Amino acid sequence: EADIYQTPRYLVIGTGKKITLECSQTMGHDKMYWYQQDPGMELHLIHYSYGVNSTEKGDLSSESTVSRIRTEHFPLTLESARPSHTSQYLCASSDHGLATAGDTQYFGPGTRLTVL
Amino acid sequence: AQSVAQPEDQVNVAEGNPLTVKCTYSVSGNPYLFWYVQYPNRGLQFLLKYITGDNLVKGSYGFEAEFNKSQTSFHLKKPSALVSDSALYFCAVRPGGGSYIPTFGRGTSLIVHP
Repeated sequence: EADIYQTPRYLVIGTGKKITLECSQTMGHDKMYWYQQDPGMELHLIHYSYGVNSTEKGDLSSESTVSRIRTEHFPLTLESARPSHTSQYLCASSDHGLATAGDTQYFGPGTRLTVL
Repeated sequence: AQSVAQPEDQVNVAEGNPLTVKCTYSVSGNPYLFWYVQYPNRGLQFLLKYITGDNLVKGSYGFEAEFNKSQTSFHLKKPSALVSDSALYFCAVRPGGGSYIPTFGRGTSLIVHP
């Protein structure tokens, strides 16, 4: 099992609420990612980070924001949740480091978000 | 731009039979190729990768994949399928240099029947 954690695992929340999905990894990886995935469907990259104080938007337009103040921590925030945000959110990390690493990604277990 | 195609949404195979999950890719330069597996209500787990060297790559749980440069393919295979192999499989590619962001395929659902 990879040492990457996400909390909460499941969240049901009302429209308009502010939420933060937590992601932490203990592997010292420099790169971290957030993906959105509807059940059994493809992954959509919404944010990524190359390191502390570095964040970039991914391919999928998202109303969420991220921060990277510490290497191990990469939280995702929704300022005002809407039913369209209902989905599974997967966090991942990777370490380019040596060429042999090849940027294998290690995924957390995911947060299943339902917005009513 | 890089891309990955997994042409089959679903693959059905009987337990004990060989299985193949197909993946083709497009990328500039030499590719780094990956296979991940996702079990229900879980994140993705790394299965195997091709960086360089031998075209036949062996990974976890008895899976292997063959890199074919001329056909730009990286098909996932297993000689004898198990019911427990039933899951969603994702192929991913990134270029060997430059952007470190991989592109994932749409996923293929593998169903192994008893």
